[in-house]
Amino acid sequence: QSALTQPPSASGSLGQSVTISCTGTSSDVGAYDRVAWYQQHPGKAPKFIIYDVNNRPSGVPDRFSGSKSANTASLTVSGLQAEDEADYYCTSDSGSNSVLFGGGTKLTVL
Amino acid sequence: QVQLVESGGGVVQPGRSLRLSCAASGFTFSSYGMHWVRQAPGKGLEWVAAISYDASNKVYGDSVRGRFIISRDNSNDKMFLLMNSLTPEDTAVYYCAKRAQAGWYYLDDWGQGTPVTVSS
Repeated sequence: QSALTQPPSASGSLGQSVTISCTGTSSDVGAYDRVAWYQQHPGKAPKFIIYDVNNRPSGVPDRFSGSKSANTASLTVSGLQAEDEADYYCTSDSGSNSVLFGGGTKLTVL
Repeated sequence: QVQLVESGGGVVQPGRSLRLSCAASGFTFSSYGMHWVRQAPGKGLEWVAAISYDASNKVYGDSVRGRFIISRDNSNDKMFLLMNSLTPEDTAVYYCAKRAQAGWYYLDDWGQGTPVTVSS
């Protein structure tokens, strides 16, 4: 199975909003509301920030939100802060006992 | 709080084997499925394998199926990854992660990773 498709980079200014896309197929992203997002700072372990398309685990700021349309899921970071600069990865259940990761998006805060 | 500590990484020659360990604490290990995820230098995350809470179900990514074996020891709160027939393409930081309550495919706690380098 192919990895989910994410743009390699995204950027936004402090205080602004940015949206990162994650495109799959009708067999994964389009088939299930089982999309998650992870944030990874350089040299650190990933952090779980969104699940079930648009739910946040406890402790994750509500500046992070998710959505989905057809085969594409999106992560929106509102009110950008300097500490949001990181790599972001999407995942989706594919119903085939495997976890698909997106290729990752490097978010730069200007 | 949840703590996951990987160990066993290092430099290994192509074709050889290596066994990684993940020591868990801060939660009831025997109640949770667990995962291994890897990240090659400068690359993205790649899911490697997962094991159910009771080890009755094990699943693998395409690139490691038939070479890697995931296992666990619930009496000692540990998970393992036996990596056989290693190639340079297996060079990566290997993370262990705990599944979330929301679904086995979500990973809500991660270790800091152990690096594996496959080189002659």
